Amino acid sequence: QSALTQPASVSGSPGQSITISCTGTSSDVGSYNLVSWYQQHPGKVPKLLIYEVHKRPSGVSNRFSGSKSGNTASLTISGLRAEDEADYYCCSYPGTRNLVFGGGTKLTVL
Amino acid sequence: VQLHQWGAGLLKPSETLSLTCAVYGGTFSGYYWSWIRQPPGKGLEWIGEIDHSGITNNNPSLKSRVTILADTSKKQFSLRLTSVTAADTAVYYCASGYDIGSGFDIWGQGTMVTVSS
Repeated sequence: QSALTQPASVSGSPGQSITISCTGTSSDVGSYNLVSWYQQHPGKVPKLLIYEVHKRPSGVSNRFSGSKSGNTASLTISGLRAEDEADYYCCSYPGTRNLVFGGGTKLTVL
Repeated sequence: VQLHQWGAGLLKPSETLSLTCAVYGGTFSGYYWSWIRQPPGKGLEWIGEIDHSGITNNNPSLKSRVTILADTSKKQFSLRLTSVTAADTAVYYCASGYDIGSGFDIWGQGTMVTVSS
């Protein structure tokens, strides 16, 4: 199973909105509403931001939102803050009790 | 719920990696317990999962080398990865979610495993 495709890096200024894409195939992202997103600061444990495409766990800021169109899922961060600077990973279910992650996107807050 | 993991951090090629993860403050049943790894400077890779009844599923790319077991009486689950090479050097995490694909909301602290002769 191939990894999902994410841009290597994105950047934005404080207060702006940015979107990170996650492109899969009709066998994973396109077939199941089982896309999740994780934030990972350097040297830290990943944190779940979004699950099942657009749902937020309790305690996660509503500045983080998820969506999906066809074979591409997206994570949008609005009102960008310095503390949002981190690596972001998407994850999708491709069927047959397996999981595939994206390669990760480094977000730089200018 | 918290997860605490432990295991050997330095292995030689061809040895077997062995890690254990304990569940504190919650129930073992009703959830799926996974292992995920992250090579230095790289992305995340799902290794496999086990549920409370002992049913396992593994990443096809690692399947033949991976064994995941659970001890429900101790609320622990473990990972064994045989015949390790330098390519298996990574931070290994245990994690849980209520179903595969539903997201991992609880993570262990991570264990750095280095394979070197």
